[in-house]
Amino acid sequence: KNQVEQSPQSLIILEGKNCTLQCNYTVSPFSNLRWYKQDTGRGPVSLTIMTFSENTKSNGRYTATLDADTKQSSLHITASQLSDSASYICVVSAVSNSGYALNFGKGTSLLVTP
Amino acid sequence: NAGVTQTPKFQVLKTGQSMTLQCAQDMNHEYMSWYRQDPGMGLRLIHYSVGAGITDQGEVPNGYNVSRSTTEDFPLRLLSAAPSQTSVYFCASRPTRTGGVYEQYFGPGTRLTVT
Repeated sequence: KNQVEQSPQSLIILEGKNCTLQCNYTVSPFSNLRWYKQDTGRGPVSLTIMTFSENTKSNGRYTATLDADTKQSSLHITASQLSDSASYICVVSAVSNSGYALNFGKGTSLLVTP
Repeated sequence: NAGVTQTPKFQVLKTGQSMTLQCAQDMNHEYMSWYRQDPGMGLRLIHYSVGAGITDQGEVPNGYNVSRSTTEDFPLRLLSAAPSQTSVYFCASRPTRTGGVYEQYFGPGTRLTVT
């Protein structure tokens, strides 16, 4: 069964600090992995998308890594800001009969405090 | 472009009532889908459509109907609301039916409470 596990479930950090969120998956056949940011009361917004051959992708202060061999990904946030407070969702896409099936993690809830 | 829009933003229903959640996109995307998001769970696919006139079931389709008469619109119907359908509903669209690394866009969500 395709699964996406995220850790930690929640995290509190001080403004200006760095943090790393983890995503482990058992999804096959793998197509791509993406990280979404979901602000409270809003829909998810894509941060990065990585295919099998990509190890690292950055979007401003967000850097995602992918190790397709160990089926692990991480999202590193540098110099956190209050606006980074949100839920971060790891989504792994698998090839399916309908094209692509998205497998969603439960998310990591990040709170950045002053 | 307005992107993906959803109405209403909030809705309260009594058990047994029916209603339609509206979703529209102005990006000419072929693929549209509906998800529900519950506390402590990842987003789960309810129904999806790969083009006008074509719909299919997702992971949790029971109690919901969809239709796709135009490329732009993809309404979700609750036939007889139940408390278990209390959730936040997201509509999403993407530009390609198959292949490629596509960007998927989500609407702002509809928060539904069934009492």
